[in-house]
Amino acid sequence: DAGVIQSPRHEVTEMGQEVTLRCKPISGHDYLFWYRQTMMRGLELLIYFNNNVPIDDSGMPEDRFSAKMPNASFSTLKIQPSEPRDSAVYFCASSLVHPEGPEAFFGQGTRLTVV
Amino acid sequence: AQKITQTQPGMFVQEKEAVTLDCTYDTSDPSYGLFWYKQPSSGEMIFLIYQGSYDQQNATEGRYSLNFQKARKSANLVISASQLGDSAMYFCAMREAPWDGGGADGLTFGKGTHLIIQP
Repeated sequence: DAGVIQSPRHEVTEMGQEVTLRCKPISGHDYLFWYRQTMMRGLELLIYFNNNVPIDDSGMPEDRFSAKMPNASFSTLKIQPSEPRDSAVYFCASSLVHPEGPEAFFGQGTRLTVV
Repeated sequence: AQKITQTQPGMFVQEKEAVTLDCTYDTSDPSYGLFWYKQPSSGEMIFLIYQGSYDQQNATEGRYSLNFQKARKSANLVISASQLGDSAMYFCAMREAPWDGGGADGLTFGKGTHLIIQP
């Protein structure tokens, strides 16, 4: 398997624009996570899905953030409108829930810069 | 409340020495997993090792071992014979999960320890 695939790797956008980040999880994994990493706040869990259903979105910072998982092989994280404070690295990760292998595997991340 | 605490923001270690990175956690759930990840300067998150709360023995993966002390709620990572390539950020994480098929949480991460291996 190719692992978790995120796109784009880098995104530079102007304040107020819509940004869409994409993620393809590892085939067969039933959990998908979106994390945000900043120097100030570390790694924050934004939202996660189980079998394509959002389970906990309490980490989504504002209504400007939304996430979808229309099928088992694709998820998006959208920011509309974007603001400079949204600049961060956004990671997607996927996992199983199994006592012998519940670790999450991360994509390469999307480095978002909002100017 | 902070669930994962890593008290060492940074560490300098001589090459070939053993390293212990500290991690304490807080949970009232009897079923959980503890994880360590490595993040080199290139930015990717690399899974290193996992310990389940019901595991009787400490987990080991090559040069990595997890010193699991359940009563103290600690899950320290030990790296034996450190190498220059071990220089990176190291994150401890926890996941509360009933392995019998119930719903699991996401992974909660600590703030990390920046490890620098010196030649």
